[in-house]
Amino acid sequence: DAGITQSPRHKVTETGTPVTLRCHQTENHRYMYWYRQDPGHGLRLIHYSYGVKDTDKGEVSDGYSVSRSKTEDFLLTLESATSSQTSVYFCAISAFSGNPGELFFGEGSRLTVL
Amino acid sequence: DQQVKQNSPSLSVQEGRISILNCDYTNSMFDYFLWYKKYPAEGPTFLISISSIKDKNEDGRFTVFLNKSAKHLSLHIVPSQPGDSAVYFCAATAYGQNFVFGPGTRLSVLP
Repeated sequence: DAGITQSPRHKVTETGTPVTLRCHQTENHRYMYWYRQDPGHGLRLIHYSYGVKDTDKGEVSDGYSVSRSKTEDFLLTLESATSSQTSVYFCAISAFSGNPGELFFGEGSRLTVL
Repeated sequence: DQQVKQNSPSLSVQEGRISILNCDYTNSMFDYFLWYKKYPAEGPTFLISISSIKDKNEDGRFTVFLNKSAKHLSLHIVPSQPGDSAVYFCAATAYGQNFVFGPGTRLSVLP
């Protein structure tokens, strides 16, 4: 199993509060991703990173920010959580190095915004 | 507008029979396609993939077919087993950087 740890695994918070989800990898993979999973939408990319301090937006990036100060850590921050951000969030990593590779996913973080 | 579509939200098959899951895409720049399997309360796991230069890839009970002209791929599972019951996601990528996922198909294999 790929060494990916997400924390927290479950969180309940209130509207307007900041939330940070952490993804930690031990594989030294270059690419890291944050997806959210919602019924009927599958997995949608929020942000991704292709190296330390190098990040880019995905298709549903509004309301989210990310940071990657170390290869092994990729943080997803909701500056002011809203009920529409209630979802299951998955971190993924990829060893892309010129050839398409597969994504390895963490176990997910379930966030409920009341 | 979804670039990767899985038009069947669910599928039920009898144990031992063939399961066929379908996926359509719109972006002609996609050059690599993958299938992921997801059990409840777990992260998706990689199942099988295919490059756009191929039209078939087989791994045990799982075979993926790609029809580039139709922008269509399918996953065949033969024979289907109860443990195959899960949500299956089709994914596509261009140059291996961003991975775009379909909405998923829930497969139920009935004993």
